[in-house]
Amino acid sequence: GAGVSQSPSNKVTEKGKDVELRCDPISGHTALYWYRQSLGQGLEFLIYFQGNSAPDKSGLPSDRFSAERTGGSVSTLTIQRTQQEDSAVYLCASSLVRGGQETQYFGPGTRLLVL
Amino acid sequence: KQEVTQIPAALSVPEGENLVLNCSFTDSAIYNLQWFRQDPGKGLTSLLLIQSSQREQTSGRLNASLDKSSGRSTLYIAASQPGDSATYLCAVRYFGTASKLTFGTGTRLQVTL
Repeated sequence: GAGVSQSPSNKVTEKGKDVELRCDPISGHTALYWYRQSLGQGLEFLIYFQGNSAPDKSGLPSDRFSAERTGGSVSTLTIQRTQQEDSAVYLCASSLVRGGQETQYFGPGTRLLVL
Repeated sequence: KQEVTQIPAALSVPEGENLVLNCSFTDSAIYNLQWFRQDPGKGLTSLLLIQSSQREQTSGRLNASLDKSSGRSTLYIAASQPGDSATYLCAVRYFGTASKLTFGTGTRLQVTL
């Protein structure tokens, strides 16, 4: 079946503009994660959705970042008033817990460049 | 602070060599540890997952070990091939942090002909 997909694959924007990044998880996966990978840095957790529970937003770097997950499926990460330091690859992952084990499946990422 | 460190940052080996990638973590209260592979322009692919109660996992030419007491994991790649060239990431799920993963910065591996 299809894996995790993300769109757009690349995004160039001007400082101060808002951007929306989209993630389509694997069908049936109840958990969805957003991570950020900046140049020379490791992946940084941003936000986690699990079913109908309140999301874990502990990784969002500022209030300019927000995310929602509609209908327990597609998720959108929104960055308002983008800054140059927001330039990074934004990765989405989804997972399904089976037998007490959980493996996260990652999408190809959205490469964001803020000029 | 719960950190994950990977050494070396980059490694180049000739085809056929066996190699070891290292991962260390600062807090031994881990739920599990996972090794991923990342190819340029692509997402991450899970290679091996080791639960905290396990000491190693094997898949084909890959073997991952876990020593919680010393805060270390190694990924052993046997008989390396050019197709193994990628960035290898170690990620830890700590207790009490929901399901989020804490990643190392990765080791960029190049296997030359």
